[in-house]
Amino acid sequence: NAGVTQTPKFQVLKTGQSMTLQCAQDMNHNSMYWYRQDPGMGLRLIYYSASEGTTDKGEVPNGYNVSRLNKREFSLRLESAAPSQTSVYFCASSEELAGGRETQYFGPGTRLLVL
Amino acid sequence: AQTVTQSQPEMSVQEAETVTLSCTYDTSESDYYLFWYKQPPSRQMILVIRQEAYKQQNATENRFSVNFQKAAKSFSLKISDSQLGDAAMYFCAYRSAGNAGKSTFGDGTTLTVKP
Repeated sequence: NAGVTQTPKFQVLKTGQSMTLQCAQDMNHNSMYWYRQDPGMGLRLIYYSASEGTTDKGEVPNGYNVSRLNKREFSLRLESAAPSQTSVYFCASSEELAGGRETQYFGPGTRLLVL
Repeated sequence: AQTVTQSQPEMSVQEAETVTLSCTYDTSESDYYLFWYKQPPSRQMILVIRQEAYKQQNATENRFSVNFQKAAKSFSLKISDSQLGDAAMYFCAYRSAGNAGKSTFGDGTTLTVKP
């Protein structure tokens, strides 16, 4: 049981390049999320997916697209990277508990540097 | 929109002593959840403790406990018998009961533990 895995761990891009961040979870969770964390700040939600086949925008979706490929995988794509997208990206998944309680499980993060 | 404020960017504690990290939040909702996450240098986000707003009893997890003051919208984390392994950045987070997965995070408090 690996939990939430993310690839790559670190990436350097030039402005205008595109890339896809991969995320997978093996806990059979319905919900998955993508966050970004800028230096000295908390996490901000980019996109989330409540179930396979559905996605919704979070707080900072501009410049990103997502794909919920199946229940396990949720990818984040940068079509044309900008220096402002330099950040650490976290994927998370969550289980639905009785009474609406919910705990998010996070991946190890992907450090992205856009030059 | 909900906001979460952590007014202490940095805190330090002597090993074996007790430290309290502060968190306040702003919401007009009555049903919600509050969380404390720990982020060590590895950047993995780890759930420390969770509090349901409808519960008056403060949550406790071993050496970690919270002081939840709903009327004051305050949610502080107390770490007893601090250990070197407690050194990390700690994030307070809020989630509405009707807003699955959309958590709002504070900017974090960096905790240093001195031997």
